[in-house]
Amino acid sequence: NAGVMQNPRHLVRRRGQEARLRCSPMKGHSHVYWYRQLPEEGLKFMVYLQKENIIDESGMPKERFSAEFPKEGPSILRIQQVVRGDSAAYFCASSPKFNKKSNYGYTFGSGTRLTVV
Amino acid sequence: AQKITQTQPGMFVQEKEAVTLDCTYDTSDPSYGLFWYKQPSSGEMIFLIYQGSYDQQNATEGRYSLNFQKARKSANLVISASQLGDSAMYFCAMRENYGGSQGNLIFGKGTKLSVKP
Repeated sequence: NAGVMQNPRHLVRRRGQEARLRCSPMKGHSHVYWYRQLPEEGLKFMVYLQKENIIDESGMPKERFSAEFPKEGPSILRIQQVVRGDSAAYFCASSPKFNKKSNYGYTFGSGTRLTVV
Repeated sequence: AQKITQTQPGMFVQEKEAVTLDCTYDTSDPSYGLFWYKQPSSGEMIFLIYQGSYDQQNATEGRYSLNFQKARKSANLVISASQLGDSAMYFCAMRENYGGSQGNLIFGKGTKLSVKP
């Protein structure tokens, strides 16, 4: 499968637990972006990563949220001590190297729906 | 101020007719890209069409075309010959090539399109 793979598709966590969301980019893509979509809203940028490097985390909440993209393996978005307000759809997108003139493939995964109970 | 504005929360169109979904944007970047995505009820984000700020011609992709009016800062999506499968949420998004974080997308709140048989 050449697409962006996200797992799990659905994740239920109790308040205070940790949530780990995984994203495997498309083959050949070295850049990963995480977005959050609240109900009835558009997607909001969270973080932009290259392998072993966070490029921009200006959209990440200051506490409880972290992201990584290790040399080997998928990108991980980690939410510690989840609260009900974290319930949302979390999308990952990947792309090849940034090119200002390109409509380069912001290929999105199918998302992870996180529900905090 | 919102960077991407979609003023139509919901739209109805008769099958086989054309429909225009509005999008206005706000940026001071001299170079930017505009995107439209479709999100069906299954939740995935599907790329439809791209317009670069320096492109001379309006973008077209099959039944989708983008009515780009740079002076008005509008990038409306036109869907010709609507099909029942076009019923979905549609998001307009912008990438600023110089300001902010290179590469991430700014999304509007979306328009829900319903195609009537």
